[in-house]
Amino acid sequence: SYELTQPPSVSVSPGQTARITCSADALPKQYAYWYQQKPGQAPVLVIYKDSERPSGIPERFSGSSSGTTVTLTISGVQAEDEADYYCQSADSSGTVVFGGGTKLTVL
Amino acid sequence: QVQLVQSGAEVKKPGASVKVSCKASGYTFTSYGISWVRQAPGQGLEWMGWISAYNGNTNYAQKLQGRVTMTTDTSTSTAYMELRSLRSDDTAVYYCARVCTYYDILTGYFEYYFDYWGQGTLVTVSS
Repeated sequence: SYELTQPPSVSVSPGQTARITCSADALPKQYAYWYQQKPGQAPVLVIYKDSERPSGIPERFSGSSSGTTVTLTISGVQAEDEADYYCQSADSSGTVVFGGGTKLTVL
Repeated sequence: QVQLVQSGAEVKKPGASVKVSCKASGYTFTSYGISWVRQAPGQGLEWMGWISAYNGNTNYAQKLQGRVTMTTDTSTSTAYMELRSLRSDDTAVYYCARVCTYYDILTGYFEYYFDYWGQGTLVTVSS
């Protein structure tokens, strides 16, 4: 299997743009998926297939991909976006991998 | 609406086993798989494996092979995860999640992700 690497923390002020990266250590790269987890709650899917947004997820959440790095972008960050964010993918054997998680702090 | 409701918290002694249930509703149970993901206190998400509710096929994380068994009961739309030979580092919140899987022509691979999650079950292993 392979690893997904995320920065441990990202901090932004309200209204600014937050970017959280997730890098795979090897090819080939399958799609990435992003989950938001607030304290004491189950994770919530916010981006699937690198850049698709599930229904009900605000438009300020977007995703992109370049090479083996995917990025979750939150435009116009709000206080309610403060949470842990995890990227997820799978290898060719169907083994699912999560990144280590990034704590987003809204200053 | 899709719901996954898990069984309640458990306290177990080292060496014991635990079985957590996950009752699904709001969709056709056999059309999706169920995955189990755990989260130790203050730590990240760890994938444990998944089971196809359609045919019972399983894929377990290598780290847990031999200690974990995932099953389903299609008559009650319930999935189960049993973990044996418990150790203190198995203390965690255990989540079930509905698995969306599909073959993507562009990547040439099967894709897996989780669109609905249970509320979590705290399993504490302590002597």
